[in-house]
Amino acid sequence: GENVEQHPSTLSVQEGDSAVIKCTYSDSASNYFPWYKQELGKRPQLIIDIRSNVGEKKDQRIAVTLNKTAKHFSLHITETQPEDSAVYFCAARPGDMRFGAGTRLTVKP
Amino acid sequence: DTEVTQTPKHLVMGMTNKKSLKCEQHMGHRAMYWYKQKAKKPPELMFVYSYEKLSINESVPSRFSPECPNSSLLNLHLHALQPEDSALYLCASSPISTGNTDTQYFGPGTRLTVL
Repeated sequence: GENVEQHPSTLSVQEGDSAVIKCTYSDSASNYFPWYKQELGKRPQLIIDIRSNVGEKKDQRIAVTLNKTAKHFSLHITETQPEDSAVYFCAARPGDMRFGAGTRLTVKP
Repeated sequence: DTEVTQTPKHLVMGMTNKKSLKCEQHMGHRAMYWYKQKAKKPPELMFVYSYEKLSINESVPSRFSPECPNSSLLNLHLHALQPEDSALYLCASSPISTGNTDTQYFGPGTRLTVL
């Protein structure tokens, strides 16, 4: 089955800086890669996703890049704000969705 | 309605109790999921229902019993749980189960504590 690894496990940045979280996957058949943001005590919320026929996708301050050859994808957050502080999970599928272990992002004002 | 709802928000139960968690969505999604999430861990898939039929059971103990009465509702019946079952139980839904690119939307979860 799919195995997703996520790095780093914790990330601390200064407000206004950029943050990058990386994930690798094992199943070459995976073709859908969502990113979820989970604030403390809240549900995971989809913030952006990418499908395997696209190499990059951007939504305002958030972007995701996909390298199918290397089997890795990354989340990029620019101009970080304190409200970006949360745990971010990457995931990959086909079939069952498998999550990475999560990255705790802290944005210091 | 573009949300997945779950009740109750919090549940405390003893090891001999029987309780049920409920999930509802009105987005016309035909796949629904139960996940278990322990603190500081990612969600772990428990069950998948596709067109109201159980399609995936990830080797979950029989003290957890899912039920899908119709395309909008998903229940998780709990009986004789153990303290280690304490966790956040998340429900999710997606348009279809077998499609490889279907987005899953999560409910707010039920915080379960087993005493």
